[in-house]
Amino acid sequence: QKEVEQNSGPLSVPEGAIASLNCTYSDRGSQSFFWYRQYSGKSPELIMFIYSNGDKEDGRFTAQLNKASQYVSLLIRDSQPSDSATYLCAVSNTDKLIFGTGTRLQVFP
Amino acid sequence: EAQVTQNPRYLITVTGKKLTVTCSQNMNHEYMSWYRQDPGLGLRQIYYSMNVEVTDKGDVPEGYKVSRKEKRNFPLILESPSPNQTSLYFCASSLLGSPLHFGNGTRLTVT
Repeated sequence: QKEVEQNSGPLSVPEGAIASLNCTYSDRGSQSFFWYRQYSGKSPELIMFIYSNGDKEDGRFTAQLNKASQYVSLLIRDSQPSDSATYLCAVSNTDKLIFGTGTRLQVFP
Repeated sequence: EAQVTQNPRYLITVTGKKLTVTCSQNMNHEYMSWYRQDPGLGLRQIYYSMNVEVTDKGDVPEGYKVSRKEKRNFPLILESPSPNQTSLYFCASSLLGSPLHFGNGTRLTVT
């Protein structure tokens, strides 16, 4: 089992819809959870981070964490074509940050 | 402007010719790390450093060296590059426990 798992996609959604990206992790001791967006050939950029169970909202983005189920998700409301990118989930315990392989999101007009 | 600067952005070299990719950050971050990114394999950590003169192996350290003589710099050294080290490399830094800031990447091709 991979330590951080994501569906590689592509996830295709129409403009204006909600995109839901999911990530599961294996280490129950994980404490910090991050979502990065990466455009093709570019560096990852931080979108959201979450440390506690529940939801955290920032503009059109909502991160959801369920530690009991070892599950973290990212919701993108009112998806735009400019949101088309690969979204990387990253999970950290005290000394190690592990990335998933990413989910490619395509938002079509 | 707060940033992580990597150089060069693109590099084509031949097998066995030593090379260094530089990384510098101006945010006074303790933590610095090198990743390589390959299709289908995601970001894999090569080496990381928690502070000056402290470096540790990541998941794929073979064939690489690093040094951390100053807080701001964390160069990646390939003593004898091989074609399987052809990849996209990222340097990143952060305060301990905080999100990573990534450099713009170095695309390395070894022929």
